[in-house]
Amino acid sequence: DGGITQSPKYLFRKEGQNVTLSCEQNLNHDAMYWYRQDPGQGLRLIYYSQIVNDFQKGDIAEGYSVSREKKESFPLTVTSAQKNPTAFYLCASSIDLPRDTGELFFGEGSRLTVL
Amino acid sequence: AQSVAQPEDQVNVAEGNPLTVKCTYSVSGNPYLFWYVQYPNRGLQFLLKYITGDNLVKGSYGFEAEFNKSQTSFHLKKPSALVSDSALYFCAVKRGNTDKLIFGTGTRLQVFP
Repeated sequence: DGGITQSPKYLFRKEGQNVTLSCEQNLNHDAMYWYRQDPGQGLRLIYYSQIVNDFQKGDIAEGYSVSREKKESFPLTVTSAQKNPTAFYLCASSIDLPRDTGELFFGEGSRLTVL
Repeated sequence: AQSVAQPEDQVNVAEGNPLTVKCTYSVSGNPYLFWYVQYPNRGLQFLLKYITGDNLVKGSYGFEAEFNKSQTSFHLKKPSALVSDSALYFCAVKRGNTDKLIFGTGTRLQVFP
């Protein structure tokens, strides 16, 4: 079955530690995205990538970093510079332009709690 | 700037009754409009979209949405609610196929037996 796999589903870390969230897709999609979800705030875009070895900042990129070394993989690192990292993180992918009509396919999410 | 608003944090409806979840948008040019559903501690699932054509769009699980250009709205509807429809619903908009998707803040739908 094709889809997006995020791991781990739950993650606990101490304040000041960097953590990396994994996102893998086997849909052969060009574009991948990372969103952050907080209660009452909807989804906010952190980073996105439309092609391998290229990515762009979203609306809330500060304190995060990403890489896109392979089409299938788009890991997100939450650094110690992120002031309030506790959140639910969602990875998504899409076919991308020119065929893209906007439909995103989401992973099951990773819940990060910083103690 | 493009934006989307979901004016209700929560909608309560009895099972078997019709439901409506509201969404209004602001975007220049032709909007691409979407509805997604999220069950607890899960990712979002695509329900339906409007790109062009018929203003009434049918989607998954018996949901439909009506695009109203004059009112800049894209309300989600279902004729008969099920308890299993209880979830968080997100409306999203983008301007054509060149912009990123912008999500609303979500509306929690609670269907009571």
